Amino acid sequence: RKEVEQDPGPFNVPEGATVAFNCTYSNSASQSFFWYRQDCRKEPKLLMSVYSSGNEDGRFTAQLNRASQYISLLIRDSKLSDSATYLCVVNSMEYGNKLVFGAGTILRVKS
Amino acid sequence: SAVISQKPSRDICQRGTSLTIQCQVDSQVTMMFWYRQQPGQSLTLIATANQGSEATYESGFVIDKFPISRPNLTFSTLTVSNMSPEDSSIYLCSVLGQGAGEQYFGPGTRLTVT
Repeated sequence: RKEVEQDPGPFNVPEGATVAFNCTYSNSASQSFFWYRQDCRKEPKLLMSVYSSGNEDGRFTAQLNRASQYISLLIRDSKLSDSATYLCVVNSMEYGNKLVFGAGTILRVKS
Repeated sequence: SAVISQKPSRDICQRGTSLTIQCQVDSQVTMMFWYRQQPGQSLTLIATANQGSEATYESGFVIDKFPISRPNLTFSTLTVSNMSPEDSSIYLCSVLGQGAGEQYFGPGTRLTVT
């Protein structure tokens, strides 16, 4: 079983749609959780951290369910510029500073 | 955030040769990381490079194949040795960011082995 598993993509949505990505992780000792964004042929960049209480950044909402070992990312009012691959990432003390990346979910927003 | 550059940005190499990739950071950092991203897949950590000590390799990666140097706090190199087509990949270096678990990545080196 992979350490971090994500929804298979790609997600093809119209502009203005709301889209949700899911992610599960296998290591219950995982402590930190993130969503990274990777544009085509570019390096990954941190989109947002995910906190236990859930957190929102503009159109983006991230949630964490530790009991189910589940992370989600909700994007409201999708823009063409949201088209990218979204990577679910976890970290734990036993990993040191190592990040474990999911395979990513491709989002394509179309006009 | 740190500004990271990598050289070369891309290369096409013949089987059996070696390529050294350079990673330069605009500030001093303790830890640097080297990742591989194979076509259509996510990032896999190759090793962690600490200044003044041997790199720490992840399972499946060995020093003979991927020797790493870390001569100072702003620079590191990764060599891909005795290349085969299976080594065709994007290689990225990264450094720790401000927040827990946050990392900043270089633009990557796209390697094709023929």
